[in-house]
Amino acid sequence: DTGVSQNPRHKITKRGQNVTFRCDPISEHNRLYWYRQTLGQGPEFLTYFQNEAQLEKSRLLSDRFSAERPKGSFSTLEIQRTEQGDSAMYLCASSPRGEIQYFGAGTRLSVL
Amino acid sequence: GENVEQHPSTLSVQEGDSAVIKCTYSDSASNYFPWYKQELGKGPQLIIDIRSNVGEKKDQRIAVTLNKTAKHFSLHITETQPEDSAVYFCAASRADSWGKLQFGAGTQVVVTP
Repeated sequence: DTGVSQNPRHKITKRGQNVTFRCDPISEHNRLYWYRQTLGQGPEFLTYFQNEAQLEKSRLLSDRFSAERPKGSFSTLEIQRTEQGDSAMYLCASSPRGEIQYFGAGTRLSVL
Repeated sequence: GENVEQHPSTLSVQEGDSAVIKCTYSDSASNYFPWYKQELGKGPQLIIDIRSNVGEKKDQRIAVTLNKTAKHFSLHITETQPEDSAVYFCAASRADSWGKLQFGAGTQVVVTP
């Protein structure tokens, strides 16, 4: 399978714990995006990488959130001190040129 | 910033009928408009897209139209089939935004046999 891969698919955590998600984009896609989707809503942009450089961050991305793409390939999204409001589907997308974006299946986070 | 509104929120059609979903956008600088289909437990899948220099695009049973003056675009699905049942999202982006997509809230389409 050469699509966008996200792990884990599901994560259940207790409030206050830290969690980390991983995204493996399609090979040679230099653009990578993170979105968050809550129930009944469309995805909301969180952050964007071009190669290893993080070029834009949404105001939705509080200081408890951090994302990295250290070698311009896979990316990680970490949430520290999780809150119940962080419960959502976290989607990763990759793109070769910034228009057509290919999404992964997402990581569903449940904060208890 | 960009705001995308999508209607209706739910749409029930009989198999074989057509379905139409409409979206409006606020940012006149937006120039790329994709439509995504999302099935339960899966990520959004691109089904068709249109750029601002084109008024209409068709791919088999799916078509998209764009009215730049009115700032709205629509998805048309003809001869609907049960496998068309899913949530459909419209989105918009502008050339100077790194491809960042602003999504509508989605339309739940149910095709009944």
